Amino acid sequence: EVQLVESGGGLVSPGGSLRLSCAASGFTFSSYSMHWVRQAPGKGLEYVSAINRNGGSTYYADSVKGRFTISRDNFKNMLYLEMGSLRPEDMAVYHCVRDGVEGYYFYYMDVWGKGTTVTVSS
Amino acid sequence: EIVLTQSPGTLSLSPGERATLSCRASQSVSSSYLAWYQQKPGQAPRLLIYGASSRATGIPDRFSGSGSGTDFTLTISRLEPEDFAVYYCQQYGRSPLTFGGGTKVEIK
Repeated sequence: EVQLVESGGGLVSPGGSLRLSCAASGFTFSSYSMHWVRQAPGKGLEYVSAINRNGGSTYYADSVKGRFTISRDNFKNMLYLEMGSLRPEDMAVYHCVRDGVEGYYFYYMDVWGKGTTVTVSS
Repeated sequence: EIVLTQSPGTLSLSPGERATLSCRASQSVSSSYLAWYQQKPGQAPRLLIYGASSRATGIPDRFSGSGSGTDFTLTISRLEPEDFAVYYCQQYGRSPLTFGGGTKVEIK
């Protein structure tokens, strides 16, 4: 079964840091680009970051650029999101998502993890 | 960036009725690179449609997508009780990938 399981969310103070992890299983992880998409409470979907299959290309939304870093370990089948200088507006459920097409680019998203919740509050 | 505007914000319909959801792009979406997702409360989104009109694996044929350029439509031919949810469109024709704000389909 294709599966993505996020972890690492929690309560953090404004200005703090957090590292999200995503464990992938059931497919050849190294063949797919991967994404992070977040959803603030009661809000819509926001595209946060992406990384291509070999880590050679990354994307960040303007709202997180310079504060978040996406990375992957194709040997461990893991995706990461290092989040720094956290703000209240970063509070959301963060979903790990697989790209729908094997390859090096970013397309639609066909497999979603259930998400991990990040709370930013003092 | 391409801005996607979904309408209406909320659609109130009864089971068995037809639902028509709109997604309008601020610029032409190349190669009809437009996807639709369904999200139920407390769940992750689920891919319904990609390439504007191709159904994802396991999606019932009551769901159909159409459109090109700047105007796209998701149609649910006959609403089943499990179809009441929020629907999002997403374009992947130009970086950055962007989502629409969503349409909630609620029971009338």
